[in-house]
Amino acid sequence: SAVISQKPSRDICQRGTSLTIQCQVDSQVTMMFWYRQQPGQSLTLIATANQGSEATYESGFVIDKFPISRPNLTFSTLTVSNMSPEDSSIYLCSVRDRVPGELFFGEGSRLTVL
Amino acid sequence: KQEVTQIPAALSVPEGENLVLNCSFTDSAIYNLQWFRQDPGKGLTSLLLIQSSQREQTSGRLNASLDKSSGRSTLYIAASQPGDSATYLCAVSRGGADGLTFGKGTHLIIQP
Repeated sequence: SAVISQKPSRDICQRGTSLTIQCQVDSQVTMMFWYRQQPGQSLTLIATANQGSEATYESGFVIDKFPISRPNLTFSTLTVSNMSPEDSSIYLCSVRDRVPGELFFGEGSRLTVL
Repeated sequence: KQEVTQIPAALSVPEGENLVLNCSFTDSAIYNLQWFRQDPGKGLTSLLLIQSSQREQTSGRLNASLDKSSGRSTLYIAASQPGDSATYLCAVSRGGADGLTFGKGTHLIIQP
């Protein structure tokens, strides 16, 4: 299975600022996804990160708030823009190394917005 | 819109018991179903993947079944151990290349 590293693992940010989360995979993968897990809640899919093109966002999530990049088959970034306390969550990167196949997750990035 | 429900939300049992976690989904047109465990402060660990054409999958003390037509899956844990304590999440995919829709999980505590 793919090994997924996320940075930062946690951060405390001020309202109105932006933070970029990095996801690095140890092998080339077909699909990369970003999820959010709000406190006490389950995971919600934010978007599918597409290599070389714009990400595909789920209902309720927009590019201006959550810009995503995927320059190659092993790396992606998620930016949380103009943060508010409601953005305090764990953000998780996940990958599928083949289609179809299992989904694997990174350790997550715990974000607290004051 | 697909909705995934997990019952019970929490469960506490003594060590050694066999137990069953339940998962139901509203749209039976799924591609596959995956069970995960999540330890506090950690990411998700994949336990079992069941394709829509399969009825069950086994890994060690874990057995997951799938009844696609009725929109249900169960995760059976045999001879539970304190190390099994975690939150167990069920998730379904609408297509082979799609992301997953998750349930809220079952928080499991195994008492030594």
